[in-house]
Amino acid sequence: DGGITQSPKYLFRKEGQNVTLSCEQNLNHDAMYWYRQDPGQGLRLIYYSQIVNDFQKGDIAEGYSVSREKKESFPLTVTSAQKNPTAFYLCASEDRVGGYGYTFGSGTRLTVV
Amino acid sequence: AQTVTQSQPEMSVQEAETVTLSCTYDTSESDYYLFWYKQPPSRQMILVIRQEAYKQQNATENRFSVNFQKAAKSFSLKISDSQLGDAAMYFCAYRQRGSEKLVFGKGTKLTVNP
Repeated sequence: DGGITQSPKYLFRKEGQNVTLSCEQNLNHDAMYWYRQDPGQGLRLIYYSQIVNDFQKGDIAEGYSVSREKKESFPLTVTSAQKNPTAFYLCASEDRVGGYGYTFGSGTRLTVV
Repeated sequence: AQTVTQSQPEMSVQEAETVTLSCTYDTSESDYYLFWYKQPPSRQMILVIRQEAYKQQNATENRFSVNFQKAAKSFSLKISDSQLGDAAMYFCAYRQRGSEKLVFGKGTKLTVNP
């Protein structure tokens, strides 16, 4: 079955460390997205990519970085510059930017210890 | 900037009854999409229903239907014959046509009582 796989499901990071969240899709979608979800808030866009080797900042990109070397993969790195990284991170994809709507992965819960 | 407001942080409904979740949005655009997403305890976001602003007919998907009032900028979700599996957070979202971004509301937590 086609879908989006995020790993790991839970991730713990020490202060000052960079961590990378994985997002893989086999839907043949061009567009991929990273959102952050905090308690009591909606989702906020971190980065998005319309095509391989291209990506754009969203509303809250500071302290994060991404790459898009393959169509199927869009990993997110949470750097030590991100002041409050504890959150739930959701990856999504769609056939093209502005398309029918997102398909989401199951998310990664990141906790700073 | 567009905003989406869900005024009901929590709602509850008896199994088999009907419940309506409210959503209002603010935009100066005329061509856009509106969505309702469901986030169950597993936390995976699932698309429930989608409405295109230029379509006057309200979208329906089985037990889920919307009341889209474009002039009032209102987009409510009605769940009929509520089931225990409907218990979840429900998010309303807006998207300007061609935009990369969905703008989400803060969500409504729906509890279904047996």
